[in-house]
Amino acid sequence: DPKIIQKPKYLVAVTGSEKILICEQYLGHNAMYWYRQSAKKPLEFMFSYSYQKLMDNQTASSRFQPQSSKKNHLDLQITALKPDDSATYFCASSQEGTAEQFFGPGTRLTVL
Amino acid sequence: GDQVKQSPSALSLQEGTNSALRCNFSIATTTVQWFLQNPRGSLMNLFYLVPGTKENGRLKSTFNSKESYSTLHIRDAQLEDSGTYFCAANTNTGKLTFGDGTVLTVKP
Repeated sequence: DPKIIQKPKYLVAVTGSEKILICEQYLGHNAMYWYRQSAKKPLEFMFSYSYQKLMDNQTASSRFQPQSSKKNHLDLQITALKPDDSATYFCASSQEGTAEQFFGPGTRLTVL
Repeated sequence: GDQVKQSPSALSLQEGTNSALRCNFSIATTTVQWFLQNPRGSLMNLFYLVPGTKENGRLKSTFNSKESYSTLHIRDAQLEDSGTYFCAANTNTGKLTFGDGTVLTVKP
């Protein structure tokens, strides 16, 4: 059974719209993260949460807002979508900040 | 990126041969992770390293914190080893900083 679930797997959106990317982890971890991988680029850190509190934000735009409704959930809301937002978004989790991180399968977002 | 320099950027191996990948860090690194990204995009954890060496089957990895580098050795390369290998540095904040990746192709 998958331990980190991301939904949807694929997402197509129009410019200017808003989407929410879902992430749930069943590893019992206390820290969760979002990373972004654009085409042919390495993964880039976006956010980290620990015990449902924001620890680090490396995203320049306020259009990206993480939402943590439960300890094992960290969703990502993206507003006013732009074509440059097209990427695969990975959710990850770890027991705590310096521990090994495990990644979900990703959501591939395409903005037209 | 500049903070984690990974080499080589691409590598082609004959099945059964050995090779090594390397990452140099210009940021204070507490732990290192190595991943393999398959053609479908999934990230598989290979190693999580505090300073020292770990071995798993045909793979062996070292993290030298004093000299700020990590290596991944692949022995007896197999076709299924093909993919993109990433190293990532954790600077004790939880943020992983990734290298640009090594695209490995193993040929029969």
